[in-house]
Amino acid sequence: AQSVSQHNHHVILSEAASLELGCNYSYGGTVNLFWYVQYPGQHLQLLLKYFSGDPLVKGIKGFEAEFIKSKFSFNLRKPSVQWSDTAEYFCAAGYGGATNKLIFGTGTLLAVQP
Amino acid sequence: DTGVSQDPRHKITKRGQNVTFRCDPISEHNRLYWYRQTLGQGPEFLTYFQNEAQLEKSRLLSDRFSAERPKGSFSTLEIQRTEQGDSAMYLCASSLAGRSGNTIYFGEGSWLTVV
Repeated sequence: AQSVSQHNHHVILSEAASLELGCNYSYGGTVNLFWYVQYPGQHLQLLLKYFSGDPLVKGIKGFEAEFIKSKFSFNLRKPSVQWSDTAEYFCAAGYGGATNKLIFGTGTLLAVQP
Repeated sequence: DTGVSQDPRHKITKRGQNVTFRCDPISEHNRLYWYRQTLGQGPEFLTYFQNEAQLEKSRLLSDRFSAERPKGSFSTLEIQRTEQGDSAMYLCASSLAGRSGNTIYFGEGSWLTVV
């Protein structure tokens, strides 16, 4: 079945620590990949997306993600987190190149301690 | 761009009652989506419209659920004979197909609690 897995449910980091959140998708064909962030009390916002081309994608607020087809992964990274990065992060996939129907992971709650 | 707006933001209803949620997409967005999110889970796709046509419905959308987008602008999601299992956040989103890779923009959601 088409799915997205996020293995880290809760992550606690200190400010300035590096971040990597795992995301794996299940389908070997064409896939569009996204990372969304939800800050406390706010709506889901797009951090970055991958459709094709350079597998290293840069997004807003210093985030980046790398598409590794052989590992079915699209991990999110940030070299130095800030307290304001405290939020829930969702990985999502549009299978078959779809952009109209996204399959989301269960999310990773990130808490950054000052 | 005023964003996707949803109303009401919170709704508490008794089991068996009907509820309706409204979504106003970003103006000029031709696609509108409904998702559902329960605690500890990511959003799950329910249905989407392109203009006024409902193009896809998830199996999650039982016959108690109906969504409309009569003039291709705002949309309503009605749940009839609510059940406790319907308690969730109902998210609306919109996008402009063919532009910016069809980036989907989400609203803040409507929380439903069925008691």
